[in-house]
Amino acid sequence: DIVMTQTPPSSPVTLGRPASISCRSSQSLVHSDGNTYLSWLQQRPGQPPRLLIYQISKRFSGVPDRFSGSGAGTDFTLEISRVEAEDVGIYYCMQATQFPLTFGGGTKVEIK
Amino acid sequence: EVQLVESGGGLVQPGGSLRLSCAASGFTLRDNWISWVRQAPGKGLEWVASLQYDVSGKYYVDSVKGRFTISSDSAKNSVSLQMNSLRAEDTAVYYCARSLFGAFDFRGQGTMVTVSS
Repeated sequence: DIVMTQTPPSSPVTLGRPASISCRSSQSLVHSDGNTYLSWLQQRPGQPPRLLIYQISKRFSGVPDRFSGSGAGTDFTLEISRVEAEDVGIYYCMQATQFPLTFGGGTKVEIK
Repeated sequence: EVQLVESGGGLVQPGGSLRLSCAASGFTLRDNWISWVRQAPGKGLEWVASLQYDVSGKYYVDSVKGRFTISSDSAKNSVSLQMNSLRAEDTAVYYCARSLFGAFDFRGQGTMVTVSS
């Protein structure tokens, strides 16, 4: 199974400042079709998860452009350029390159 | 508007069964992957099962193999998760999601399953 490791587990940030979350996979997420199925989800308190980024860096419909994804192979990053109050929640990375599909443990973003 | 509505959760005793349903609206499940993902209280997300709607491909996490069955109902535009031999560790909110570009698009509030005597 592919293990997804997120750091940090918690990220206190100041409003308007950037935040960065790292996700590392135990093996390459490059699929045989050439795509890399690494995505990022946001879960606000009391809400279901919401898709933010798919295939490393592609923003899903309606996602603000302050969210961006980058990386390749086994190392990936989600960045929020300027954190807003509505960004508070837990962020998960997920791989869909290989079954079983696996999630990172989550990173809690909170306001200082 | 795209929606996925989960239903069928509840309280069940260990060893019991439940059948969850995921009803889609605003799009057709045909040609889609549909998955179930669960979240135990206070814990992270865990993939449970996936179905490739018209190709009959079905995949499960090891911990539910032989106990859970994912299936489709094209007439109802829905996907079900039959859960048998339930255990306390199956207690969670269960979400269904459609796969888009190899990622999960969640559109419902989930349904709570509690396994307890």
